[in-house]
Amino acid sequence: AQTVTQSQPEMSVQEAETVTLSCTYDTSENNYYLFWYKQPPSRQMILVIRQEAYKQQNATENRFSVNFQKAAKSFSLKISDSQLGDTAMYFCAFIPFRGSGGSNYKLTFGKGTLLTVNP
Amino acid sequence: KAGVTQTPRYLIKTRGQQVTLSCSPISGHRSVSWYQQTPGQGLQFLFEYFSETQRNKGNFPGRFSGRQFSNSRSEMNVSTLELGDSALYLCASGISYNEQFFGPGTRLTVL
Repeated sequence: AQTVTQSQPEMSVQEAETVTLSCTYDTSENNYYLFWYKQPPSRQMILVIRQEAYKQQNATENRFSVNFQKAAKSFSLKISDSQLGDTAMYFCAFIPFRGSGGSNYKLTFGKGTLLTVNP
Repeated sequence: KAGVTQTPRYLIKTRGQQVTLSCSPISGHRSVSWYQQTPGQGLQFLFEYFSETQRNKGNFPGRFSGRQFSNSRSEMNVSTLELGDSALYLCASGISYNEQFFGPGTRLTVL
């Protein structure tokens, strides 16, 4: 069974500053995907960024980037130039990739980190 | 392309009643997953359907059931509601491992 741990229940950052959210996971799978999802107060879950475990290069999407350490099973999210609209709950999630056999799209989520961006 | 839609958005029920929630996936997506979100337990996987077949099921009692229709729309049903079933129920529509999109959710309150 996979587990995802987010050790920071809440964080705050000043507008325009940089913040890093932590995530660790435990799995015996070799192939998997990792995600960061954002859930603003309106509650629509939005995909922020994803990382394929077999890719060593860290994913980047505009102001969002990850630090993926496969051996350490760590997957942190860095938000640069924080904006008020970044205020949300952030969830780290994991899905194993098993190819065409035994497939299913079950995501395992961490408990989330509530990020508040202050003006 | 239209996103994932869920109906109704809000529901208030009393203990012992049953409820049916609906999810319409993004056009072309054959996978629909359901999650329960509560402040205490976080996001927990309920089940996933793919082409009308349940592919995976989470650790929920048999009161929770679902189905998927030939047009990929999915419904989940909760019978004999309990207070602890109060939650936000999220539906996710997927086309591959690395691409799943969530709906706005249905907020269920059980009194």
